[in-house]
Amino acid sequence: NAGVTQTPKFRVLKTGQSMTLLCAQDMNHEYMYWYRQDPGMGLRLIHYSVGEGTTAKGEVPDGYNVSRLKKQNFLLGLESAAPSQTSVYFCASSYSLSSYEQYFGPGTRLTVT
Amino acid sequence: DQQVKQNSPSLSVQEGRISILNCDYTNSMFDYFLWYKKYPAEGPTFLISISSIKDKNEDGRFTVFLNKSAKHLSLHIVPSQPGDSAVYFCAASEGPGNQFYFGTGTSLTVIP
Repeated sequence: NAGVTQTPKFRVLKTGQSMTLLCAQDMNHEYMYWYRQDPGMGLRLIHYSVGEGTTAKGEVPDGYNVSRLKKQNFLLGLESAAPSQTSVYFCASSYSLSSYEQYFGPGTRLTVT
Repeated sequence: DQQVKQNSPSLSVQEGRISILNCDYTNSMFDYFLWYKKYPAEGPTFLISISSIKDKNEDGRFTVFLNKSAKHLSLHIVPSQPGDSAVYFCAASEGPGNQFYFGTGTSLTVIP
């Protein structure tokens, strides 16, 4: 039981490049989330999904797209990376939207130069 | 604008003593509150929660207190252990179906 895994762990991009971050969970959770963590800002919700095939915007969605084609996977895409997207990205999942407990992955450290 | 604030970026405590981590919020509609613990290079892990119908919740060495009138919650760890050294985040939500808003975190160091 791996819980929530994230790929890759680290990445350096140049401005304008694109990439996809992959999140996978093996707990059969319906709900999945993408957060970013920046110094002095805490964790902020980017996008979330309430089930396979559905996505919704969170607090800071601009510059990102997401897809949930399979229940266990939640992808976060950056179409044209900007230095402001330098951050640590965390994926999380929960049984339901009202579940107190979200299970987090180990994070992806992204640097955009 | 930050709706959940942790005004102390860091805290150092001697082993065996009490650690008190504080969290303030501005949204009076917040109904559920959580504390997460995060070690370096790992994701946050859930620690303890409290809903607005309670003013205290206890789980072993960890107790969360909620003061709704002051819009303030605190996490007490007693006795503190070196393994408690981590970053602690508080988070708040308006209830089922609503997202959680996280504070900026407090880095706790427990000195042996």
